[in-house]
This record gives sequence, C-alpha cells and structure tokens, in this order.
Amino acid sequence: DIQMSQSPSSLSASVGDSVTITCRASQSISIYLNWYQQKPGKAPKVLIYAASSLQSGVPSRFRGSGSGTDFTLTISSLQPEDFATYYCQQSYSTPRTFGQGTKLEIK
Amino acid sequence: EVQLVESGGGLVQPGGSLRLSCAASGFSFRSYWMNWVRQAPGEGLEWVANIKEDGSEKYYVDSVKGRFTISRDNAKNSLYLQMNSLRAEDTAVYYCVRDRWELSLFSPDTYTWFDPWGQGTLVTVFS
Repeated sequence: DIQMSQSPSSLSASVGDSVTITCRASQSISIYLNWYQQKPGKAPKVLIYAASSLQSGVPSRFRGSGSGTDFTLTISSLQPEDFATYYCQQSYSTPRTFGQGTKLEIK
Repeated sequence: EVQLVESGGGLVQPGGSLRLSCAASGFSFRSYWMNWVRQAPGEGLEWVANIKEDGSEKYYVDSVKGRFTISRDNAKNSLYLQMNSLRAEDTAVYYCVRDRWELSLFSPDTYTWFDPWGQGTLVTVFS
C-alpha cells in the first residue's frame, strides 16, 4: 500500500497570510494526487485533483503542485472560511490512501 | 443537483451486523464507480471499499476484507455496505462517495478523485 504523509499536522495562521501544506507519498504516484478540505461536522470536499487542477467552483487562491512523491497545497491570502482540515489522497493505486490531515487554525 | 444520502447507521454490539444504504440522485448512477470512506471520531479519512459501474469488480481495504461487502442496485440508484462481525475499531462516520474522472490531455492516463460526498452516517460499535 502507498503511505501518504502530510506536514505539518497543524498550523496557525492569520487572515491574509499564505500557507503551504506538504504531502509525501511512499513511492512515485505521478500526479495522481488530490486535496480535500473538511470543516467540522461536514463531509470533505475536493479542492484540487491531478495534483494541480482546480475543481470547479474552488477559489483560485488554492494552488496545488508537485509530481512523483512530493506535493504541496498553497493557500494564498487566507480567508476566514479557509480554516479547516486538509487531506491529501492518492489515486494511483488501490487501496486509495489519505494523508493524516493538516489542521489549519486561526492565530 | 448531484446528491448522495446515506442511511442505516446506528449502535451495534461487537460481532453484530449493519447494512448501510446510499441513495443517489441527480446523475447517472450506473455510469460511475462508487466508494465507501470512513472517519473514526477525531481521526482522519480511510477508504473502505469501491465497486465498478456494473458491480463486476469490488475492492476492499485489508482491515474489512471478509467482513464487509459492497454492492449496488443500479435500478434503484443505490449503493450498499453490508458490515458483519463488527469491531470497536469500525466505529466511524461512513461516507458514500462517487468517483469522478478525467482523461489526461497529454497521455493515456485517467485521473480520479472523490466527488461528491454524502453527509455520512454514524456507526457505533460498543459493548
């Protein structure tokens, strides 16, 4: 199974800041990497698919990059609604595996 | 509007069984792979199982193999998860999730992701 690891596990930032979350795969997964946002008590929703493609309706301040084993999610100009938990997920092989999550909190 | 609505969660003792259902609407259900993904309280996301459009292929995470069975009824636009021999570690919110896919413009690759997700149904295994 492919293991996904995210860093950091949590971070604090202020509205207007820019933050970067990193996701690393235990083997190369090309660009088969997706990012999800989850708010408390809600289901996750997709932000980025295929490493860098923005899901329709997602603000352009979300940007994904990377290939192979190393990926990043960058959120620029943080908005109050961006404070949530973020997960990466590989779709290269089954079982589909997720990172452990990164909780983004307001400073 | 594309919608997935789960039902069937509840309290069950270890060793017991539950059957989860997911009612799909707003899209051609028979044309999509479908998944179950779970989230234990305060924990991260774990993919559980998926099933091909026509039900001919099914895959499971190792921890549920032999205990859980995914199935679908395309005539009823419904997805199911039969859970037997339940354990405390199966306690989680279970989400019904559709696969989305897109062909690469530059290669024969097909990229897939989970979208949308249902609201989830809570399964609690307690003694």
